[in-house]
Amino acid sequence: QVQLQESGPGLVKPSQTLSLTCTVSGGSDSTVKYYWTWIRQPAGKGLEWVGRVSTSGVSDYHPSLRSRVSISLDTSESQFSLTLFSVTAADTAVYYCARETEEMTSPSWGLYDYYYYMNVWGKGTTVIVSS
Amino acid sequence: DIQMTQSPSSLSASVGDSVTITCRSSQTIDRSLNWYQQKSGKAPKLLISASSSLQSGVPSRFRGSGSGTDFTLTIGSLQPEDLAIYYCQQTDSLPYSFGQGTKLELK
Repeated sequence: QVQLQESGPGLVKPSQTLSLTCTVSGGSDSTVKYYWTWIRQPAGKGLEWVGRVSTSGVSDYHPSLRSRVSISLDTSESQFSLTLFSVTAADTAVYYCARETEEMTSPSWGLYDYYYYMNVWGKGTTVIVSS
Repeated sequence: DIQMTQSPSSLSASVGDSVTITCRSSQTIDRSLNWYQQKSGKAPKLLISASSSLQSGVPSRFRGSGSGTDFTLTIGSLQPEDLAIYYCQQTDSLPYSFGQGTKLELK
């Protein structure tokens, strides 16, 4: 059974760089397509999708963060990482890593639908941006 | 970007009640709608994918429905362990987005 674990510093100074790592253990089905995802949640607020990296290393980011975020994959270490540059207090949040699964269904012959969902989550790690 | 709006923001119900949470998207998303449950201090847990597909191990009292722009999550016969915040999420197009959450409290 796949498990995810976030790690990284809990305190980052404003204008500096936030770096988190998610370690994947337990293995995944090699016939299924996955994306490795970061989601964050400020205290008492809702969930925000930050971005993802595919198993082929292609990344997608939330437009509001695109200029200062990077998500990368290290398959040899079974890890993927989040780097967020020039942080401010607004980046203070619990950061979750998650596995996004692509599911293909065929409602009728020759037709295919694709659905995506986050079905494995890490426990989350709190990052505070403060001097 | 697609905006997701949940209602109500909070809900109080008794054990055994049936409750319904609504999620509306700002544009059509077919059936690309997931529901998550988040208990206090814990990571979200996927309950339902593709609008109505119940995840393995999730009690059958949870039911999702809808397509296009309007979706519902119904919890039949509410149990004490259902106390949580529930989020909808669209995965029709990037950036993925979540509703603001519905806090379910027990009377």
